[in-house]
Amino acid sequence: GEDVEQSLFLSVREGDSSVINCTYTDSSSTYLYWYKQEPGAGLQLLTYIFSNMDMKQDQRLTVLLNKKDKHLSLRIADTQTGDSAIYFCAESINGGFKTIFGAGTRLFVKA
Amino acid sequence: GAGVSQSPSNKVTEKGKDVELRCDPISGHTALYWYRQSLGQGLEFLIYFQGNSAPDKSGLPSDRFSAERTGGSVSTLTIQRTQQEDSAVYLCASSLANRNEQFFGPGTRLTVL
Repeated sequence: GEDVEQSLFLSVREGDSSVINCTYTDSSSTYLYWYKQEPGAGLQLLTYIFSNMDMKQDQRLTVLLNKKDKHLSLRIADTQTGDSAIYFCAESINGGFKTIFGAGTRLFVKA
Repeated sequence: GAGVSQSPSNKVTEKGKDVELRCDPISGHTALYWYRQSLGQGLEFLIYFQGNSAPDKSGLPSDRFSAERTGGSVSTLTIQRTQQEDSAVYLCASSLANRNEQFFGPGTRLTVL
């Protein structure tokens, strides 16, 4: 069945890079996403990558996609305390509208 | 409004009662989604609506759950005969047709005593 897995916690020091990993199962996924949920707030789309791409960079964010291994990662350079949040990996299936989310990785940034 | 709104923000109910949760999507968004977020769990897909097409109900956990979307805008998620395991945050999102970004509402926190 459809499944997205990611580790639940990650702790880094301010200024270091954070790497959040995700694996998914549906090989027909067209888009893969990273959403961010800050404390007490709703989810917001951080970035997404189309399945025919290997990498996407957007300022401090780098997304890497290994389609063969069905592995997606999000790297945050120069992590700041304001990056502390839950990061959700998600994949679109069935032509793009149905989206399956992972459990979320809680990122702790220590000053 | 500027964003997706949901009401109520919090709902406490007794086991066995019915509840209705409301979602107002962003104006012009044809796709609307319902998810459930339980403590320590990811977002569980429940249902999505796209324009006038039949909704995808494949994520509804039981026949106690139903949703409708009237006039292609506002949606109501109904849970009948609530159980304690229904306690969760229910999130609504909307998007433009054929676009990638879903815009989420703040959620309704449901507590079943």
